[in-house]
Amino acid sequence: AQKVTQAQTEISVVEKEDVTLDCVYETRDTTYYLFWYKQPPSGELVFLIRRNSFDEQNEISGRYSWNFQKSTSSFNFTITASQVVDSAVYFCALSGQGAQKLVFGQGTRLTINP
Amino acid sequence: EAGVAQSPRYKIIEKRQSVAFWCNPISGHATLYWYQQILGQGPKLLIQFQNNGVVDDSQLPKDRFSAERLKGVDSTLKIQPAKLEDSAVYLCASSLSSGGEETQYFGPGTRLLVL
Repeated sequence: AQKVTQAQTEISVVEKEDVTLDCVYETRDTTYYLFWYKQPPSGELVFLIRRNSFDEQNEISGRYSWNFQKSTSSFNFTITASQVVDSAVYFCALSGQGAQKLVFGQGTRLTINP
Repeated sequence: EAGVAQSPRYKIIEKRQSVAFWCNPISGHATLYWYQQILGQGPKLLIQFQNNGVVDDSQLPKDRFSAERLKGVDSTLKIQPAKLEDSAVYLCASSLSSGGEETQYFGPGTRLLVL
């Protein structure tokens, strides 16, 4: 069975600090896909990134970066120079090949204080 | 391009009453999903449609929940009768197709409170 663990339930930092959200996954599939979503207070899940299991290149998008390591089954998310607008719940999710459902972690509530 | 639309945004009902939620996916998206998100948890898939056929409803409590997507576009999720534990946010999502590699795009959700 597939499983996603986000061990950090809540994180609180001061604006401009860097923060890393951890995600550890379990799967027996050789091909799988990892996702990060942001859920602001409005409630809508906003897609941030998708990663294929065969592409271990790290990715950077502005202040956001993602570190994918198959050896440790981790897909961590770093926000550099955090801003108050980054405050939200962040979810890591996993799916396999075929018509497989998306399995979400429990989420990490990130609070950026001014 | 318009995103996933859902209505209503909020609903308060008494237990044992019935309630229905509506979802309109992104145009051209063949796959539609309904998720239940209980406070403090990640979304859990209830049902997945590919066009108007059901792909996965293994976690749908079929004694009280039903869903349909008659013309392969809009979908309705119904709860009858509602229980206190059904209080949650119901999220609709859509994707181009049903493959695991497809990105799912979510609507704003319907917050249900059962009293």
